[in-house]
Amino acid sequence: AQTVTQSQPEMSVQEAETVTLSCTYDTSESDYYLFWYKQPPSRQMILVIRQEAYKQQNATENRFSVNFQKAAKSFSLKISDSQLGDAAMYFCAYRGGTQGGSEKLVFGKGTKLTVNP
Amino acid sequence: DAGVTQSPTHLIKTRGQQVTLRCSPKSGHDTVSWYQQALGQGPQFIFQYYEEEERQRGNFPDRFSGHQFPNYSSELNVNALLLGDSALYLCASSFYGVVGQGADYGYTFGSGTRLTVV
Repeated sequence: AQTVTQSQPEMSVQEAETVTLSCTYDTSESDYYLFWYKQPPSRQMILVIRQEAYKQQNATENRFSVNFQKAAKSFSLKISDSQLGDAAMYFCAYRGGTQGGSEKLVFGKGTKLTVNP
Repeated sequence: DAGVTQSPTHLIKTRGQQVTLRCSPKSGHDTVSWYQQALGQGPQFIFQYYEEEERQRGNFPDRFSGHQFPNYSSELNVNALLLGDSALYLCASSFYGVVGQGADYGYTFGSGTRLTVV
């Protein structure tokens, strides 16, 4: 079974600074997808960024980027120029297979990010 | 474009009671998955419904059951409630198809139902 591990229960960063959240995963599959979700106090899971395992290039979405190390099964999230609105729980998630929305997501336990003004 | 709608937002039940939670998927999505998120934990997959059938199931007892209607909306039922069932229940909708043939990777989540069992 696939597992996702987030080793940092809490992280803090100063506004405008950069922070990196860590995630490792375990799988025997060759095709899979990795995601970072943000969960603010409103409780809704919001997709931050996703990475296809077959792509060597790291995904980037504005201030958010990932460092995907397939051999090491590592998938970290870097947030640049942190903003107060980035404060939330961040979850790393894994999805196997090549189908669309037919595969379940496996989540880590999350990292609580605090942004200090 | 409406996102995923869940009802109710909060619910308090007594041990042993039964509860029904509801989910309306995002327009264009045909698959509904349910997740349980205990306090301080990541969401855990309960089950998934497509074409009105349960397609996948996580490690949850039979007290957890569901249903999907022809309009793709879904219900999660929990019988004989335990204190440990207290959690945030999230619904996620998606499109079942193959990536590149109309499907994307996207899962859209609702804001959840906070269930408290006392």
